[in-house]
Amino acid sequence: GQSLEQPSEVTAVEGAIVQINCTYQTSGFYGLSWYQQHDGGAPTFLSYNGLDGLEETGRFSSFLSRSDSYGYLLLQELQMKDSASYFCAVRDQRNQGGKLIFGQGTELSVKP
Amino acid sequence: DGGITQSPKYLFRKEGQNVTLSCEQNLNHDAMYWYRQDPGQGLRLIYYSQIVNDFQKGDIAEGYSVSREKKESFPLTVTSAQKNPTAFYLCASSIGRDSTYEQYFGPGTRLTVT
Repeated sequence: GQSLEQPSEVTAVEGAIVQINCTYQTSGFYGLSWYQQHDGGAPTFLSYNGLDGLEETGRFSSFLSRSDSYGYLLLQELQMKDSASYFCAVRDQRNQGGKLIFGQGTELSVKP
Repeated sequence: DGGITQSPKYLFRKEGQNVTLSCEQNLNHDAMYWYRQDPGQGLRLIYYSQIVNDFQKGDIAEGYSVSREKKESFPLTVTSAQKNPTAFYLCASSIGRDSTYEQYFGPGTRLTVT
């Protein structure tokens, strides 16, 4: 089977740093993606880790450890507009086709 | 502007009717995907297509059908066989099979069946 685990909710204050963890269990692995979705909106791509280590894109960073089957999304200098759901997604190497397996999502609430 | 369009934004149907959701992209992407999202849940893959005239079932294909006659278009039909069709439907595309990690999503269609 395949599963991705991430916390259902996280709350933080404006200006703070928050980390959203994702652990996965899949028969194969190509990499870990992160998506942001505001309430009622379309998911948007944030970052991708194909190799171990940290990827930084502005206020957002993403980390992957293949040996631990673990990754996280780090959001710095939180702003109110960062309140949204965040999904990790894995491409399972076992599959012939190109597809993503999404986690259940983490709802981030940023308080003033 | 390049992007993905889905229409309509809201759709209401009676139980027992088939309904087709539109998805069009002008990004020149080879791969397209259909997902279903239920309240508070992640995205579940219904069907995907890596090239014109070819498509594969995702994790929850039962009660759905698709076609890919043109590169730009990937319509989804929700048939009367789908037991619980009320959901938010999202269409996405990626440059190709090797770029599946970076998908571009349309605004979605919220389908309500009563």
